[in-house]
Parts: sequence; structure tokens; C-alpha cells
Amino acid sequence: DAGVIQSPRHEVTEMGQEVTLRCKPISGHNSLFWYRQTMMRGLELLIYFNNNVPIDDSGMPEDRFSAKMPNASFSTLKIQPSEPRDSAVYFCASTDAGFQPQHFGDGTRLSIL
Amino acid sequence: KQEVTQIPAALSVPEGENLVLNCSFTDSAIYNLQWFRQDPGKGLTSLLLIQSSQREQTSGRLNASLDKSSGRSTLYIAASQPGDSATYLCAVTDRGSTLGRLYFGRGTQLTVWP
Repeated sequence: DAGVIQSPRHEVTEMGQEVTLRCKPISGHNSLFWYRQTMMRGLELLIYFNNNVPIDDSGMPEDRFSAKMPNASFSTLKIQPSEPRDSAVYFCASTDAGFQPQHFGDGTRLSIL
Repeated sequence: KQEVTQIPAALSVPEGENLVLNCSFTDSAIYNLQWFRQDPGKGLTSLLLIQSSQREQTSGRLNASLDKSSGRSTLYIAASQPGDSATYLCAVTDRGSTLGRLYFGRGTQLTVWP
């Protein structure tokens, strides 16, 4: 299996620009999670989906962040407008049942200048 | 809200030593506990998952124990090797959680030198 695929691996952009991060979960997995990792706060859950439906978005920091899952094989996390404090590594993870081990992608390292 | 703490934050040891990494959590009403490994620039890899009804899990040189009542777990690494160098994270799933939401500790950064 190809594993969870995230793109891009690295993104550097100027503040105010729109940023879109992409994730392809493992085929057959019906739960998808977006996390953010920083030195200050560690790993934080932003949002998660089950069967393409957002279940809990309480971790989304503010309205500048939005996430979609239009189908079972694709999800996006969008930041508009981006700010320097959004700089972090963003991970996507998927699982085939809520309480089973989550499989993580390699992350997108985002730098907002 | 569940809070997960890991001690120590960093550990540097010579090859061959047996190691213990510690994890504690504030709410004992958990569904399961997982230990992950994270290599630099990579995502997380699940190492061991312990259900709340279990006391320990083993995989090769790794052994994880769970004491739910005291809110503690340990990861034991036997005969450490330089290839074990990575950050190890502990995460729990609350019983009240919807669909397996994980709460992570900050991790223990392990360096094993030859």
C-alpha cells in the first residue's frame, strides 16, 4: 500500500497568501485526521472526518483555516490569509476504524514569511 | 481535557543500554494508549497499541506497559541500537472520544550513540 500521501512536502510563502495542503488517505480508510506540530505546542488535532463528513473541527485555530473532504480519497486544508504564526509541520493521518492505529503521512513543512 | 506528559524530554545513551520512557495521563478513562516513533522530517509510525483492558504489549525489543488506574505507561527498549534514535510519542484515546481522537504527549527525543 502507498501509505498516506501529502503534498507539497515543503511550502514557503509570504504572509497574506492562500495556502492549500493536500492529503490522499490510504485506500479503504474511512477516517481522516489533520494535525499541526510545532515546538511550542507539540502535536495538535485540527479536524477529523469520518466517511467524508467533518466530525470535530474544534481544533481549527480560527476562521482563516478550513478543511474539506470532497471524496474518500482526497482532503484539503486551506489557510487564507496565511500568517507567520501558521508556520508548522502539518500532518494528515487515516485509519480504517476510529480506534485503530492511525497511519501518518510525512507531513508538509509550512513556512510563512 | 486529557493531558499527556512524557518524561524525560530527551535522553542520550550508549548503545546496548536498556531504556525506560515514561508517559502519564490525567484522565484514566481511556480507550487505548499508543506509542509512536517519529524520525526527523517524517511522520509518525505506530509501534504499540495497548487496549485499556490490557497490561502490556510486546514487539521485538519493545515492551509497553499500562497502569490505567495510576494514569501511567512505560515503553521499555531492550539492548538499544543507534537505529533506535528518534522521538517517541505517547498518545491516548479517551472513552468519551468520538472516533478515536488522540491526545499526544510532547515526546522523548532519544539518541543512542555507538
